[in-house]
Parts: sequence; C-alpha cells; structure tokens
Amino acid sequence: GAGVSQTPSNKVTEKGKYVELRCDPISGHTALYWYRQSLGQGPEFLIYFQGTGAADDSGLPNDRFFAVRPEGSVSTLKIQRTERGDSAVYLCASSSTSGGGTGELFFGEGSRLTVL
Amino acid sequence: AQSVTQLGSHVSVSEGALVLLRCNYSSSVPPYLFWYVQYPNQGLQLLLKYTSAATLVKGINGFEAEFKKSETSFHLTKPSAHMSDAAEYFCAVTTNTDKLIFGTGTRLQVFP
Repeated sequence: GAGVSQTPSNKVTEKGKYVELRCDPISGHTALYWYRQSLGQGPEFLIYFQGTGAADDSGLPNDRFFAVRPEGSVSTLKIQRTERGDSAVYLCASSSTSGGGTGELFFGEGSRLTVL
Repeated sequence: AQSVTQLGSHVSVSEGALVLLRCNYSSSVPPYLFWYVQYPNQGLQLLLKYTSAATLVKGINGFEAEFKKSETSFHLTKPSAHMSDAAEYFCAVTTNTDKLIFGTGTRLQVFP
C-alpha cells in the first residue's frame, strides 16, 4: 500500500502474555519510529530505527519492550509479560530521511493494545 | 531537553469563527516545530512545520502558525472554521535529534 501499515489494528490480551505488533513502512523509507499514545496523552517516543539498527531506544520503558527491523523495512515491536499499564495505542511512523529534523513523519493508524 | 505545552485540551468554535490553538515550547537550542492533526480513526498527518525559514508558516486546509521566539510560542490559527476541521491537533518539537516530542493535544469541536 501507499501508507504505513500496522497490524493488528486491535489486540486484546491477558496480563502476562507476550504480544507482537507489526509495522510495514512506506517503501523506501529508511527511518522508522515507534510511539505509544495513552488515553488523553500525546504520542510518546519509544524507539527510532535508521535502516536495520536502532539509532535511539531511549524511550523504551523497560526491558519487557523490544523492537527489531532485521531487513531495514518491516519492524516488530515485542512486549513480554504484558501489564495492564501497557494498554495504549502503539503508533508507527516512517520517513525518507532522519525526519525529526526537517523531514515529515508519516504515521500509521496504530495498533490498539488492551491488556486485561 | 525540549517540551511543548498545549493550553486547552478542548476548544469549541462555531462554523465560520476563528480557530486559535495554543502551543508554547521549551528548548535550549533553536527548535523545529510542527503541528499534526488526527482525524477520527486515521493516523496523524502533518499540517505544517517551522524549520527556521519564514516565521509565518502556511499549511494545508487554510491553517497557519507563527513562530514567536520572544514568546516561545507557535500558535495554530485558521480564519474561518469548517465542520471538517473537527479533529485532535498536536504540537511537536525537535532539535534535529530525530525524536519528535509531542504535546498532549487539543480536541477541536466545530458547531454549526
């Protein structure tokens, strides 16, 4: 497709379970970002990839969160031992440059995670 | 560290009235500033951006914003609101560190 694609759009899981969220960026975009948006809040930065490597993972809240981008395209955000506080909308964005400077980030519609 | 503060989590205007959404930033170095809009069930999309060129920036759908360094502000305006402008608006800041820092958002309601 033409835009950033995120799957699943909705995920309901039980506390303690493992979850994977997938992001398929715009073709050719080298930069990929993960954000988390809790209810009533703005998007909160989690991690940024330039190509295959994580250039900045300072926003990951703890070691239960991990993200990969093995071939420099699709990325997966992995959450282990989920907690109720992990419930949020997880947003993925991509950019043709290191977009946080002067470039534009293109966002997907998000994956809504609910932990019961 | 950079941050943005959006004053007013909800703003309501009548159709045809002026829209003013407020954003103040904090940055120790010259910032780049952005406004993003999120329509219901859609992803965030860029409205406009300030990257140290002209201080008055024009964006899509008739929106504009003015960078005022003396006031550390980047307020978003539109002369005449349309029903289709109802959405959530986010101000964001970066200093070319590849990490956008977003505000908490302002939900705009437009009444007929």
